[in-house]
Amino acid sequence: EPEVTQTPSHQVTQMGQEVILRCVPISNHLYFYWYRQILGQKVEFLVSFYNNEISEKSEIFDDQFSVERPDGSNFTLKIRSTKLEDSAMYFCASSEALRASLNQPQHFGDGTRLSIL
Amino acid sequence: DAKTTQPNSMESNEEEPVHLPCNHSTISGTDYIHWYRQLPSQGPEYVIHGLTSNVNNRMASLAIAEDRKSSTLILHRATLRDAAVYYCIHGAQKLVFGQGTRLTINP
Repeated sequence: EPEVTQTPSHQVTQMGQEVILRCVPISNHLYFYWYRQILGQKVEFLVSFYNNEISEKSEIFDDQFSVERPDGSNFTLKIRSTKLEDSAMYFCASSEALRASLNQPQHFGDGTRLSIL
Repeated sequence: DAKTTQPNSMESNEEEPVHLPCNHSTISGTDYIHWYRQLPSQGPEYVIHGLTSNVNNRMASLAIAEDRKSSTLILHRATLRDAAVYYCIHGAQKLVFGQGTRLTINP
């Protein structure tokens, strides 16, 4: 069964450094998402992406964050200047919905654990 | 954001059925009801979704109340691998996760 893959599985970065988290969504999917989960807390929506532009973003997704689909397969999340509070699991997801509707399931990767020192 | 209410935790025995309830009294007429689960150290995993009619798939069944203000996820024969946090979600475009129900399965 096709799956969403994320790399690296664990990223350790010094505070203030830039970090790029990578995701390969399922190949025929058109919607892409990033979520994060701080240890012991809820999974939180960050951003959705469709047709090479952001569809929706949360308050967490401020100017420090950006997303990109640099080629036909990868979907990346960049954090420009990391802070201690950015430490979390970051999950990528994709769905095959043609429109921004919630009647298609989202398929998640197993996440990247980001640790900011 | 769309709100759902689920019990914090539930416990069941292996090979017995499990009924996980969810209240979603603010649901709109076009919102689908989705269930996801998160096993330890993994990303959320889609379980099932429906709009009005009850739904079955290889993982579970979803029973939706006639007024759509509540639903129940049914695991017909729980296994140890079903131990996870189960999330009931409705809304548009993004998934809004609550605290979910932590399901423990006893051998």
